[in-house]
Amino acid sequence: GQQLNQSPQSMFIQEGEDVSMNCTSSSIFNTWLWYKQEPGEGPVLLIALYKAGELTSNGRLTAQFGITRKDSFLNISASIPSDVGIYFCAGQLLNYGQNFVFGPGTRLSVLP
Amino acid sequence: EPEVTQTPSHQVTQMGQEVILRCVPISNHLYFYWYRQILGQKVEFLVSFYNNEISEKSEIFDDQFSVERPDGSNFTLKIRSTKLEDSAMYFCASGGGPNNEQFFGPGTRLTVL
Repeated sequence: GQQLNQSPQSMFIQEGEDVSMNCTSSSIFNTWLWYKQEPGEGPVLLIALYKAGELTSNGRLTAQFGITRKDSFLNISASIPSDVGIYFCAGQLLNYGQNFVFGPGTRLSVLP
Repeated sequence: EPEVTQTPSHQVTQMGQEVILRCVPISNHLYFYWYRQILGQKVEFLVSFYNNEISEKSEIFDDQFSVERPDGSNFTLKIRSTKLEDSAMYFCASGGGPNNEQFFGPGTRLTVL
């Protein structure tokens, strides 16, 4: 099946640092979604991207739809302890229907 | 703010039993989804539902699974004869359009003994 890769798999950062993570594939996508999941809860939508090159912000979070349509990036500025969680990218394949393929996630830990 | 709700939050069942997981999608959404997440793994698509019929399903969604929208608000996932490997978190999601963002419910943790 279609596969998304996310890197890094996990990261430990100090509070106040900026964070960058990405999501890549060999396939072309027409929509990217970024979710955050905390233990025992459902994924919470952070940002949705619909056009190649699109750059969208949500507070301290900024995400970009890669120009090649095969990748997406999420940045978190000035991290705080409540940013801890697993960040999933989800992509909707071009001409492939409605379902979203999820990446394996990036686990973020923020040290005070 | 409208949200997707799911019941029960945790379901424990014996292998071979039938379970029904319930979801109430966001009221003006037309597209409904079920996903599964085995502990420690990524979210996996099961099925999408639109206009009272299945529009897509994955290879995980075999004959043991079925979905239904019995009334104007509920969306259910039935597993006819549960197996140990069905133990997972099951998430319902809904969206306003086929290419729109999907909003997830809090999930039902299914434990098959």
